[in-house]
Amino acid sequence: DGGITQSPKYLFRKEGQNVTLSCEQNLNHDAMYWYRQDPGQGLRLIYYSQIVNDFQKGDIAEGYSVSREKKESFPLTVTSAQKNPTAFYLCASTRTSAGAVNIQYFGAGTRLSVL
Amino acid sequence: AQKITQTQPGMFVQEKEAVTLDCTYDTSDPSYGLFWYKQPSSGEMIFLIYQGSYDQQNATEGRYSLNFQKARKSANLVISASQLGDSAMYFCAADRGSTLGRLYFGRGTQLTVWP
Repeated sequence: DGGITQSPKYLFRKEGQNVTLSCEQNLNHDAMYWYRQDPGQGLRLIYYSQIVNDFQKGDIAEGYSVSREKKESFPLTVTSAQKNPTAFYLCASTRTSAGAVNIQYFGAGTRLSVL
Repeated sequence: AQKITQTQPGMFVQEKEAVTLDCTYDTSDPSYGLFWYKQPSSGEMIFLIYQGSYDQQNATEGRYSLNFQKARKSANLVISASQLGDSAMYFCAADRGSTLGRLYFGRGTQLTVWP
């Protein structure tokens, strides 16, 4: 089945540790996105990428890093510089066809907590 | 950037009744898209319905319809014949009408359907 796979479902981070959240899609979508969701809040954009080997900062990129070495994969690293990483992280992807409706489809999310 | 406002933190509706979830947006872009997503307690974001700013008719998808009033900058979601499974968080979002694809989200409305 086509879709977006995020792993792990739950992740725990120790003080000073970097952790990486995985996002893989087999929808042949060009663009991929990482959002953060805090309780009572909407989704906020961390990073996005429209093509391989290129990505842009979103609204809350500080303390995060990404890579886009393959079209299918867009991993997110939460670095030790991110002082409040506890949140629900959602990955999304979409095609980027001019003149078409580019609907974002989401993975099931990763819930990150700090030990 | 788009600003999305959802003023109803929570809404309650009896099964089989219709319910309207409010969404207003603020944009200076001439072209944009409006989206509604459903987020059950499991966390994944499910796309429901889309309305383009130039669409003359209100969008409909099964029991979902979007009441689009461009002059008022509102894009309310109407769910007809509510079902217990409709209980979830609902998010309104907008893009900027380009292939950039990033979405701006409201804070969401928690809908509870009671028997």
